[in-house]
Amino acid sequence: DIQMTQSPSSLSASVGDRVTITCRASQSISSYLNWYQQKPGKAPKLLIYAASSLQSGVPSRFSGSGSGTDFTLTISSLQPEDFATYYCQQSYSTLRTTFGQGTKLEIK
Amino acid sequence: QITLKESGPTLVKPTQTLTLTCTFSGFSLSTSGVGVGWIRQPPGKALEWLALIYWDDDKRYSPSLKSRLTITKDTSKNQVVLTMTNMDPVDTATYYCAHFVTDFDYWGQGTLVTVSS
Repeated sequence: DIQMTQSPSSLSASVGDRVTITCRASQSISSYLNWYQQKPGKAPKLLIYAASSLQSGVPSRFSGSGSGTDFTLTISSLQPEDFATYYCQQSYSTLRTTFGQGTKLEIK
Repeated sequence: QITLKESGPTLVKPTQTLTLTCTFSGFSLSTSGVGVGWIRQPPGKALEWLALIYWDDDKRYSPSLKSRLTITKDTSKNQVVLTMTNMDPVDTATYYCAHFVTDFDYWGQGTLVTVSS
């Protein structure tokens, strides 16, 4: 199985900060990496697909990068509505997909 | 516009079998490359992928739960059904279904299933 490890598990930041979340795969997954945002009581929302492509309707302050085993999600200038939990997900394996354990972004 | 909605019991007893239905619109599960997946989330915990069914009836399961899961589709009804046998309190979670191609781009609202006697 491909394991996905996110860091940090939690993060405190202020409005306007630049924030980076990292996701590492246990083996190369090329660019088959997606990022989701989840707010309490809501379903996850796709932000970034194929490592760096911005889903339609997602603000441009969100960006993704990486390939192989190391990936990052960057929020260039945090807005109040960005405080949420973020998950990465690999879709490289055609047998099974896996999510990271999540990164909770909290207000400092 | 793609929408999905989960339905099923909110409470099941230990050892019982859970049956959840995902009813969707806005796409066809007979279109090449399309799939529908199930993902769950215990309260306060991370997302866990459970199963995926593709347009060609190819089925994929989480290795840790494979023996307990069955996923089927009814293309004419635009529905995907997930059954999970031998439910346990640790299976208490919100269960989501989602549209899948190479990512889960559309999700249902989720349904909370509690396992308790």
